[in-house]
Amino acid sequence: EAGVAQSPRYKIIEKRQSVAFWCNPISGHATLYWYQQILGQGPKLLIQFQNNGVVDDSQLPKDRFSAERLKGVDSTLKIQPAKLEDSAVYLCASSLNRGNEQFFGPGTRLTVL
Amino acid sequence: GDSVTQMEGPVTLSEEAFLTINCTYTATGYPSLFWYVQYPGEGLQLLLKATKADDKGSNKGFEATYRKETTSFHLEKGSVQVSDSAVYFCALSRMDSNYQLIWGAGTKLIIKP
Repeated sequence: EAGVAQSPRYKIIEKRQSVAFWCNPISGHATLYWYQQILGQGPKLLIQFQNNGVVDDSQLPKDRFSAERLKGVDSTLKIQPAKLEDSAVYLCASSLNRGNEQFFGPGTRLTVL
Repeated sequence: GDSVTQMEGPVTLSEEAFLTINCTYTATGYPSLFWYVQYPGEGLQLLLKATKADDKGSNKGFEATYRKETTSFHLEKGSVQVSDSAVYFCALSRMDSNYQLIWGAGTKLIIKP
């Protein structure tokens, strides 16, 4: 069974530029999560989707971050414009349904200069 | 709000030593508790979990017991190997928080041959 796929694996941008990350969850998984993991810290949930609807986006900085999950499968997370403090690893995870085990992708390491 | 506190690393041990990584939590109600592991260059993966008080989760020789009286979920292994070198994260989730995972900061474990 294929795992959670993410791309790109690494991205370096200048502050004020925009960037987008892509996630393909495990087939059949209804719930998809985006986390931000700053170096030396545990992951922080940014947004949770159930199929193509948002369940929780309370910690998403909506002035600069946006996410969508069209057709309830793939998802894209965008940052526009990026700030220095956005440097982190962005993790995508999926689960069969809410409350089930979450499976994580390898992450995208973002560096904002 | 809910929180997880785990011992700071890095923890450095010799092969075959006994391992304990402490984890305590603050949460209302009855959370589920998890240990995740992140091997170098890989994504987070679930190591073990416990869903109610006095439950013991176990996997790959690792164990942790859900202690409600001390709000703890310490990770133990009787004899560590070099291949156990990784970052270990303690986390909790609650149904009435949309099963959002709340994470500790992670503990880096280094095993020397």
